Amino acid sequence: AQKVTQAQTEISVVEKEDVTLDCVYETRDTTYYLFWYKQPPSGELVFLIRRNSFDEQNEISGRYSWNFQKSTSSFNFTITASQVVDSAVYFCALRVTSGTYKYIFGTGTRLKVLA
Amino acid sequence: ETGVTQSPTHLIKTRGQQVTLRCSSQSGHNTVSWYQQALGQGPQFIFQYYREEENGRGNFPPRFSGLQFPNYSSELNVNALELDDSALYLCASSLAGRGGKYFGPGTRLTVT
Repeated sequence: AQKVTQAQTEISVVEKEDVTLDCVYETRDTTYYLFWYKQPPSGELVFLIRRNSFDEQNEISGRYSWNFQKSTSSFNFTITASQVVDSAVYFCALRVTSGTYKYIFGTGTRLKVLA
Repeated sequence: ETGVTQSPTHLIKTRGQQVTLRCSSQSGHNTVSWYQQALGQGPQFIFQYYREEENGRGNFPPRFSGLQFPNYSSELNVNALELDDSALYLCASSLAGRGGKYFGPGTRLTVT
């Protein structure tokens, strides 16, 4: 079975603090894709990153960075020097393609950045 | 904004009725997928269409059905509405094999 677990329901930080959002996934597929999405209060999901199972390189994009570790089935997301505009719900997702295509989201982590 | 549009924005239906939700994909995207998001939950994958054929489905009953048209726009149909169908329905388009999904603003369905 495939599953995505985001154990942190809600995190609050003060502006300029660094914060890491955890994502643990389960799949027996050898080929899969992992994603992060942001859902701001406006409600529209915004794509942030995609990573395939063969690429364990960490990725940095501005204040955002992602750490993919197959050994621990984790794909964690770090925001450096957080800003109030980062306040949103963040979802991790898993795409599998063996058999029928499926796209599985975690339950999300609500991040509150306080001024 | 992603260029993905959905209509209507809000909808109120009675249990047992049928509903059709619509989605226009971002230009150049050939794949469209639908998700149900209950309040405070993550989106649940309903199904995906690629070149007018369903190529993936989540754990939803057959009363959830869809179509993709030659211009890649799409419809989600739900028959025999139940109270638990009340949710935000999200449509997303993508280019097969590339990048992530681009989501529309959603349709809020309330079943009374």
